[in-house]
Amino acid sequence: EVHLVQSGTEVRKPGTTVRISCKGSGYRFSDYYMHWVKQAPGKGLEWVGLVDPEDGNTFYSKNFQGRVFLTAATSSDTAYMDVSDLTSDDTAVYYCATGDSSGILDFWGQGTLVTVSS
Amino acid sequence: DIQMTQSPSSVSASVGDRVTISCQASQGIRDYINWYQQKPGKAPKLLIYDASNLQTGVPSRFSGSGSGTHFTFTIDGLQPEDIATYYCQQYHIPPPYSFGQGTKVEIK
Repeated sequence: EVHLVQSGTEVRKPGTTVRISCKGSGYRFSDYYMHWVKQAPGKGLEWVGLVDPEDGNTFYSKNFQGRVFLTAATSSDTAYMDVSDLTSDDTAVYYCATGDSSGILDFWGQGTLVTVSS
Repeated sequence: DIQMTQSPSSVSASVGDRVTISCQASQGIRDYINWYQQKPGKAPKLLIYDASNLQTGVPSRFSGSGSGTHFTFTIDGLQPEDIATYYCQQYHIPPPYSFGQGTKVEIK
């Protein structure tokens, strides 16, 4: 059974960087793209980007390009999302999600709350 | 980038009613659209993939249709446990992918 387990709640000051992790189990980690999705408080879902754990290739939404950096380590079956130069607009729950087709998100992590506050 | 326009933003219906949600893509996406259900405080759950395919274990009262730019999601016989927000998501290759704005479904 596929499971995605994310790292815990983070609190950061504006201008700093946060790293969120997502560990996959129950499948061959390099076989499926890992997607990241943002949900600001009371708002809808926003696709951030994806990383291909097989070769490290990434795609980003224009809204996040340049400030978000997605990586994946097949040695530990873990994907990472780094968000730099944080502002209050980055306060959100971030989900990792994956599936056996490039854009179908069958499986989701539990979400990681990031709060940006001075 | 492809934009997904979802409507309505909210709908209130009685138990047993049919509920219909629409998503319009800003350009043709063939059938590369999925539908998700999200309950408060929970991660989204895949209900429909590739426009009309029911995910394993999802009740048959949920269905999807459409191709190209206009898509429809239907709950045929609303149940109290269906209270949630529903999202469409396009994954026309190449990325970026995108979600619709969401539709909150409530019981009247």
